[in-house]
Amino acid sequence: GNSVTQMEGPVTLSEEAFLTINCTYTATGYPSLFWYVQYPGEGLQLLLKATKADDKGSNKGFEATYRKETTSFHLEKGSVQVSDSAVYFCALSDQGGGSYIPTFGRGTSLIVHP
Amino acid sequence: NAGVMQNPRHLVRRRGQEARLRCSPMKGHSHVYWYRQLPEEGLKFMVYLQKENIIDESGMPKERFSAEFPKEGPSILRIQQVVRGDSAAYFCASSPGTSGNVEQYFGPGTRLTVT
Repeated sequence: GNSVTQMEGPVTLSEEAFLTINCTYTATGYPSLFWYVQYPGEGLQLLLKATKADDKGSNKGFEATYRKETTSFHLEKGSVQVSDSAVYFCALSDQGGGSYIPTFGRGTSLIVHP
Repeated sequence: NAGVMQNPRHLVRRRGQEARLRCSPMKGHSHVYWYRQLPEEGLKFMVYLQKENIIDESGMPKERFSAEFPKEGPSILRIQQVVRGDSAAYFCASSPGTSGNVEQYFGPGTRLTVT
């Protein structure tokens, strides 16, 4: 079956530090990959996505590259802000595997200090 | 363009009562998913519905939980005879289709507290 593994949190950084949140996946088909962000007390919002190998998704200074050879989709940002504090979820959607249900990672909490 | 709407945002029920959670998908979306999120845990898939049909309920507990998405009106997640372990945040998401590269749009969630 499909699975998504994220690095455990919390990740604690100072403002303007470089961020990496690791995500690896297993899938039976050729999935699309997503990063969602959840701010306190809210639902998940799509942050970025990539639909095929070597695609780079980017939004609000965040980016992630679909690496088929390493089955990874690591999230990066060059300079984090306090407002980036949230929980980040990596997810895949693999209709080719016969399931219409997206698979989510457990989430990684990011805490950015001033 | 209104997003996914859920109500109520907060719901308090005593043990043994019924909880009814509502979800209105984005305009034009005919696919609805329900998830449960416990503190310090990720999202747990519960059920996937299209209008008038349950497509996949593999994540739903066998007893006390049910879901529907009628032809008219919102999707409803119903929990009968609630217990303290049902306390969680319940999120609804919608999408326009099942294509593998289509993202989901989430509502703000309903936070259920069972006392």
